Amino acid sequence: DTEVTQTPKHLVMGMTNKKSLKCEQHMGHRAMYWYKQKAKKPPELMFVYSYEKLSINESVPSRFSPECPNSSLLNLHLHALQPEDSALYLCASSQDLRSYNEQFFGPGTRLTVL
Amino acid sequence: AQRVTQPEKLLSVFKGAPVELKCNYSYSGSPELFWYVQYSRQRLQLLLRHISRESIKGFTADLNKGETSFHLKKPFAQEEDSAMYYCAQGNQGGKLIFGQGTELSVKP
Repeated sequence: DTEVTQTPKHLVMGMTNKKSLKCEQHMGHRAMYWYKQKAKKPPELMFVYSYEKLSINESVPSRFSPECPNSSLLNLHLHALQPEDSALYLCASSQDLRSYNEQFFGPGTRLTVL
Repeated sequence: AQRVTQPEKLLSVFKGAPVELKCNYSYSGSPELFWYVQYSRQRLQLLLRHISRESIKGFTADLNKGETSFHLKKPFAQEEDSAMYYCAQGNQGGKLIFGQGTELSVKP
């Protein structure tokens, strides 16, 4: 399996809801990432995990909470989001954190916050 | 701070015309550079990277350290090349520094 999968494809939530985004890869990659992407803009890095430990948090608000239960799974827990958080959330993975490694992206979860 | 610049937000060409998408970087050392492509309703995917020195879908990109550029070129554009193209620089720690992207539109 050479793909990164993400569920759900679409998510609509109110500002008081709690929801989670899920990401999975079975390529044996040890680095996983969360990005936020607005329309026709580049992805913005949110979090990086390396060997299941949080390596980078790009000053993301605490209403976004990442979790890496094992080397194949990455979750993003959402709570009390704002309408401006509506975006495409991308998960990616790479072999490790070395700079020459390709990052493999999932199809994304389209999030709408009402 | 390291920066990747793609000066053109939109590039429109006719089918069969040559295309060049510009990318400049600010890193003074030996950068790891990539071109990623995002077709409509598809995932972001790697098109090519400079260490591979390969041609993918007819696209090539040459690293020019003197001009700090990594422009993407194709001699004859096809309609299926229409997409969003991002130049990116890889950093230790896994960070990818993306340019702002160039939307390529190939008209019939």
